[in-house]
Amino acid sequence: SAVISQKPSRDICQRGTSLTIQCQVDSQVTMMFWYRQQPGQSLTLIATANQGSEATYESGFVIDKFPISRPNLTFSTLTVSNMSPEDSSIYLCSVEIGASGPETQYFGPGTRLLVL
Amino acid sequence: LAKTTQPISMDSYEGQEVNITCSHNNIATNDYITWYQQFPSQGPRFIIQGYKTKVTNEVASLFIPADRKSSTLSLPRVSLSDTAVYYCLVGAYNDYKLSFGAGTTVTVRA
Repeated sequence: SAVISQKPSRDICQRGTSLTIQCQVDSQVTMMFWYRQQPGQSLTLIATANQGSEATYESGFVIDKFPISRPNLTFSTLTVSNMSPEDSSIYLCSVEIGASGPETQYFGPGTRLLVL
Repeated sequence: LAKTTQPISMDSYEGQEVNITCSHNNIATNDYITWYQQFPSQGPRFIIQGYKTKVTNEVASLFIPADRKSSTLSLPRVSLSDTAVYYCLVGAYNDYKLSFGAGTTVTVRA
């Protein structure tokens, strides 16, 4: 398993501003993922972030809105840009542990974002 | 990714066994079945994973019939702290794009 922390744990932001969310893992991992969980909803994958390459975005998510950095094997950031109230969600990072075997991921505690 | 169907919610009482059945009629030969648990204000937590028959760990058991078109997560003797949303996911070996459905909200009452 892995211990994953996220900062900030929650924030209240004004529309039009940007927020950068940090994800730190206590071990080196190749693949990190960013998810969004809107109020009362399930999780939706935003993008996959591999160290040393550009993030891969899922349909409906674009780099200009959600730029991602992955500077090393233990850290990643997700920026929510030019925020609107519709961006109010929980943002979670996760990591894949164990390259062999069926896929399992370990999730951070999430960042709860409210945009006014 | 195989689509999954599970009940929206289930109620139980402390000490009872809770069984959550997930349907995945179009599961592929190389798909595995994985269950995650999510407490309020936390990220999902991996519970158990299986391919066929029965898998048991310290948290739960997973029953998968021969046709693999469904699976049942069994939580023995639940407590109030087992109140959470439980997600059933189906995906191929090393298919890292997890697809979360609506999940089952399990509420355990005293």
